[in-house]
Amino acid sequence: EAGVTQFPSHSVIEKGQTVTLRCDPISGHDNLYWYRRVMGKEIKFLLHFVKESKQDESGMPNNRFLAERTGGTYSTLKVQPAELEDSGVYFCASSQDRWRGQFFGPGTRLTVL
Amino acid sequence: GDSVTQMEGPVTLSEEAFLTINCTYTATGYPSLFWYVQYPGEGLQLLLKATKADDKGSNKGFEATYRKETTSFHLEKGSVQVSDSAVYFCALSVPRSYNTDKLIFGTGTRLQVFP
Repeated sequence: EAGVTQFPSHSVIEKGQTVTLRCDPISGHDNLYWYRRVMGKEIKFLLHFVKESKQDESGMPNNRFLAERTGGTYSTLKVQPAELEDSGVYFCASSQDRWRGQFFGPGTRLTVL
Repeated sequence: GDSVTQMEGPVTLSEEAFLTINCTYTATGYPSLFWYVQYPGEGLQLLLKATKADDKGSNKGFEATYRKETTSFHLEKGSVQVSDSAVYFCALSVPRSYNTDKLIFGTGTRLQVFP
């Protein structure tokens, strides 16, 4: 069974540009989460999809971040325009239910110059 | 609010030494507790979990016991190997619905094991 995949693995952009990150969850997992780790700090929750619906988006830092999950399969996270403080590692996770835990992808390292 | 505190790293040990990484938490309700591990160049992997008080999670020789009275979930291993070198994250979730709720992580503890 394939795990959670993320694309790209690395992205280097300039301040003010737009970047779109993609996450493909494990097949059959209705729950999809985005997290990020900024500057070696703790990993922080961004938002949670159940199928195509946003269940909890309390962690989204501001309106420069837009997440979508059309069709309830893969998800994208767009940052527009990117700022220096957006640099970090963005993780995606998926799960079937709360008893079996969340499975994480390898992350996308975003560097904003 | 809900939070996780884990010991600062790095933790440096010789092979076959005993490992403890401390983790304490603050949470409303009845959290589930997790340890995740990130090996160099890889993503986060679920190492073990416990969903209620006094549960013991175990995997790959690692153990952690959910202690409600001390709000702790310390990670232990009796004899570490060089291959255990990684960053370890303690996390909790407080389910508020049928489906999995968000994870709240500690800052991570880097473990370095030398031969």
